[in-house]
Amino acid sequence: DVKVTQSSRYLVKRTGEKVFLECVQDMDHENMFWYRQDPGLGLRLIYFSYDVKMKEKGDIPEGYSVSREKKERFSLILESASTNQTSMYLCASNMGSYGYTFGSGTRLTVV
Amino acid sequence: DQQVKQNSPSLSVQEGRISILNCDYTNSMFDYFLWYKKYPAEGPTFLISISSIKDKNEDGRFTVFLNKSAKHLSLHIVPSQPGDSAVYFCAAKRGGSEKLVFGKGTKLTVNP
Repeated sequence: DVKVTQSSRYLVKRTGEKVFLECVQDMDHENMFWYRQDPGLGLRLIYFSYDVKMKEKGDIPEGYSVSREKKERFSLILESASTNQTSMYLCASNMGSYGYTFGSGTRLTVV
Repeated sequence: DQQVKQNSPSLSVQEGRISILNCDYTNSMFDYFLWYKKYPAEGPTFLISISSIKDKNEDGRFTVFLNKSAKHLSLHIVPSQPGDSAVYFCAAKRGGSEKLVFGKGTKLTVNP
């Protein structure tokens, strides 16, 4: 069964910490995405990557960066966590097909 | 500018009845539309999709209708079941792009 795995289901971090959210897919997909989901705002694209070491900003990249050193792994980095980054973070992947496969999400709380 | 709009934040229906979830879009370049279902504390799961060359696609209890002239699509669930209670997201993409643009979601509650 194909999978997108996010390393943590729940995280609590302090303001100012550097936070790493990890995502791994086992489907050999070219494209990987990071979204955040907030009540009343839906899913908003933070960054995406269409190949190793390639990345593009999404709609809300401020305060975030990403890393894709290997095809199967796409990391989201919060350079200095702030309380307004408390959210559900969702990783997804696809390869030229029209749908995404999503991970289970990481609920991040910044205190 | 919100390109994909789900104007109803919530919908409540009785078990066995039809659920109709609506979605409007503004970008005429969108050529593929998808519906995702999301339970709390889980990632969204793909439900059904439709290409812009079609006006209807059916999969079991789920049917998606596309009206290109009105830039409107809808998801019909018949009959609705309590397990269908979830947040439903409409999404769209344009040709040549792998990015999906999502609506804000509609929370469906199916009452027994």
